[in-house]
Amino acid sequence: QTVVTQEPSISVSPGGTVTLTCGLTSGSVTTSHYPSWYQQTPGQAPRMLIYSTNTRSSGVPDRFSGSFLGNKAALTITGAQPDDECDYYCVLYMGSGISWVFGGGTKLTVL
Amino acid sequence: QVQLQESGPGLVRPSETLSLTCDVSGYSISSGYYWGWIRQPPGKGLEYIGSIYRGGRTDYNPSLNSRVTISVDTAKNQFSLRLSSVTAADTAVYYCARLQLDFDFWGQGTLVTVSS
Repeated sequence: QTVVTQEPSISVSPGGTVTLTCGLTSGSVTTSHYPSWYQQTPGQAPRMLIYSTNTRSSGVPDRFSGSFLGNKAALTITGAQPDDECDYYCVLYMGSGISWVFGGGTKLTVL
Repeated sequence: QVQLQESGPGLVRPSETLSLTCDVSGYSISSGYYWGWIRQPPGKGLEYIGSIYRGGRTDYNPSLNSRVTISVDTAKNQFSLRLSSVTAADTAVYYCARLQLDFDFWGQGTLVTVSS
């Protein structure tokens, strides 16, 4: 069974740059997985930040960007702000079996 | 603006069936997209449950497949989730969402507790 992997937790200093990754326990993440990224603050529904690897959703600041880093999808936050401290999830489209698989999430701390 | 709103009982007895409905406004379900359910146990991550296309084609998480049924009512512009034989492990916030290759619009979520 393929699992989508994310760093459980990451810290960044205010104003700093941080990269979160989204990988597979077997194989590489590619454009065919249509990686998407979601931000979730406590008690709220997830909000889509990035879709199809690197396209920002409407209203998302350009300090959030998506890309590939090696064999993983990546979310980079440039100029981290205190409000960015929350959980981030990636989702991969698997196409068959289970069509969509969420990563375990990354808890980002800004301090 | 597309809006989704979950509704249903907040407490379900063990072994019974969990039933939730998602009302959609701002977009006609019959126009396209998949419409799905995602859940999040307290303090844990998100899990894809399943989805349905306007014509009734469904896609279920294999780990829940035998217990899940998702249906759509295009006349009411809503879709529903039924999860049978629930246990405490099914306690979670349940979200409905619009999806295609990603999940672009989400409901606010509803907490369902499984307890006697």
